[in-house]
Amino acid sequence: SQKIEQNSEALNIQEGKTATLTCNYTNYSPAYLQWYRQDPGRGPVFLLLIRENEKEKRKERLKVTFDTTLKQSLFHITASQPADSATYLCALEDRGSTLGRLYFGRGTQLTVWP
Amino acid sequence: SQTIHQWPATLVQPVGSPLSLECTVEGTSNPNLYWYRQAAGRGLQLLFYSVGIGQISSEVPQNLSASRPQDRQFILSSKKLLLSDSGFYLCAWSRNRGTQNTEAFFGQGTRLTVV
Repeated sequence: SQKIEQNSEALNIQEGKTATLTCNYTNYSPAYLQWYRQDPGRGPVFLLLIRENEKEKRKERLKVTFDTTLKQSLFHITASQPADSATYLCALEDRGSTLGRLYFGRGTQLTVWP
Repeated sequence: SQTIHQWPATLVQPVGSPLSLECTVEGTSNPNLYWYRQAAGRGLQLLFYSVGIGQISSEVPQNLSASRPQDRQFILSSKKLLLSDSGFYLCAWSRNRGTQNTEAFFGQGTRLTVV
């Protein structure tokens, strides 16, 4: 069964707007959620991590929230720029087992147009 | 600083031929190691992960195998490649689960085409 899902395959927004990406996960607890950026032909690059007991994390123009009731994380890019165009991946780290498995969603391809 | 090396970057292999992809990590010890595969336009599928030398766990049944002969070396292999093995293969490492910083660091990837 799918452990983590990103519902939107693609998102197109205008430069300067806020992009919001959604990630939903199944009943893993405790869980950490991680967000990555992937450019074509490259490996993913880590952006932010949020723990189950944290509601919000920020890094420059990036913001991640975690709602354990909805089992959902939202990833926001404010004041978006064309250089933000990439695929963004959500990953679930299963902290409840002795093994550090990391499961990725399918990703959301973000396009920011001028 | 830590670095991860994965090679080759691209590979074209005939059906039925063997495969060996190698990944090494420098600058850290006892890392968790991962092999992922990414089909075109798809997410990352976890193939294998390892928490120590000789300790390999497989996520999905497949035509591939993995080995960890040394602490910082992870090898992906196949005895006979299938067309369906084509894809973008990524090696990654993360710190041991006992730490708080557990983000994954990825290699450059190997684009495998089976013909």
